[in-house]
Amino acid sequence: IQMTQSPSSLSASVGDRVTITCRASQGVKEYLAWYQQKPGRAPKLLISAASDLESGVPSRFSGSGSGTEFILTISSLQPEDFATYFCQQANSFPLTFGGGTKVEI
Amino acid sequence: EVQMLESGGGLVKPGGSLRLSCEASGFTFSDHGMTWVRQAPGKGLEWVSSIIGNGRSTFYPDSMKDRSTISRDNSKNTLYLLIQNLRAEDTGVYYCARVVRGYYYMDVWGRGTTVTVSS
Repeated sequence: IQMTQSPSSLSASVGDRVTITCRASQGVKEYLAWYQQKPGRAPKLLISAASDLESGVPSRFSGSGSGTEFILTISSLQPEDFATYFCQQANSFPLTFGGGTKVEI
Repeated sequence: EVQMLESGGGLVKPGGSLRLSCEASGFTFSDHGMTWVRQAPGKGLEWVSSIIGNGRSTFYPDSMKDRSTISRDNSKNTLYLLIQNLRAEDTGVYYCARVVRGYYYMDVWGRGTTVTVSS
């Protein structure tokens, strides 16, 4: 299953609402995760099962979608949110990741 | 605190082999599947292999199944990855990650170990 993220990068300002889209080449039901990665750091799980926020993740992050189209929304971008975001399908092996979306100032 | 610490990376010549280790702590290791994910320099994330909690089932992408072996020693809380016939495109940071019980999301990641394949 191929995962396609868009855009591959975006520029935004603090306080902006940001949306990132992830499309699957086949339906993955709601078996979709979102990760945040900062330079030189390991990825961090933000959202699982398409919309379940991980403990400790700020509520400005939200996920939606099912089947083949998913959206990660950051309602009000904060300075610490500038990072690269990846989606990952967990519906079937091989596990696959999207190419990433770099959120820049 | 849940932690994973990878080791075993380094510089290897093409055609060589490497065994990576990941020591886990802070949780019941045998209760969780584990996964290796790698990241080439400046690139995205690539799934390398997964293993279930008791070690009896393993999973690989086609690109890795003939050259790599994932295993675990639950008595030592340690995950392993053996990669043989290394190629330049195997260069990158290798992360071990804990799998959420029942689903293949990765909820805790190690800091990674760097593998460089070069002559």
